[in-house]
Amino acid sequence: GENVEQHPSTLSVQEGDSAVIKCTYSDSASNYFPWYKQELGKRPQLIIDIRSNVGEKKDQRIAVTLNKTAKHFSLHITETQPEDSAVYFCAASIWSGYALNFGKGTSLLVTP
Amino acid sequence: AAGVIQSPRHLIKEKRETATLKCYPIPRHDTVYWYQQGPGQDPQFLISFYEKMQSDKGSIPDRFSAQQFSDYHSELNMSSLELGDSALYFCASSSTTEDSGNTIYFGEGSWLTVV
Repeated sequence: GENVEQHPSTLSVQEGDSAVIKCTYSDSASNYFPWYKQELGKRPQLIIDIRSNVGEKKDQRIAVTLNKTAKHFSLHITETQPEDSAVYFCAASIWSGYALNFGKGTSLLVTP
Repeated sequence: AAGVIQSPRHLIKEKRETATLKCYPIPRHDTVYWYQQGPGQDPQFLISFYEKMQSDKGSIPDRFSAQQFSDYHSELNMSSLELGDSALYFCASSSTTEDSGNTIYFGEGSWLTVV
């Protein structure tokens, strides 16, 4: 089955700095790569996603890049704010109806 | 916009008891997923259904079963509960027909505590 590796497990940045989280996946058939933000005790919330026919996608301060050849994708958050502090999960799946396999998560702390 | 609705939000059960969680997907979503998340863990995929048929199966224990009904709601049945089943259970849904196909939205979760 799909194995998603995520690094780093914890990340601390100063407010205004950028944060980068990286993930690799094992199943070359995977073609959907979402990123979720989860606050303690809350549901995972989709912040951005990318499909295999796209190499990069940006939404305001958040961007995701995908390298299908190398089987890795990354989340970039610019101008971080304290409210960005949360656990971020990357995930990969083949398509709708199939398992969305999560990485182990990155605990991001943005200090004022 | 309507979201994924889960019930109950919290439940406490004793060991060896049975629990049932319910999930109502976003309207017009045809696919439902169940995930289990322990404290400090990533969500673990249990099972999914597309158009009322099981579409994928993950690390769901044999003591658990699930189904999707004709109105697309789903239920997760858990029997012979063990202390280790204590976790946050998420239901999620997606649509294969919408432009944002495969975007998976999560419900608020059901907290299960086994004592």
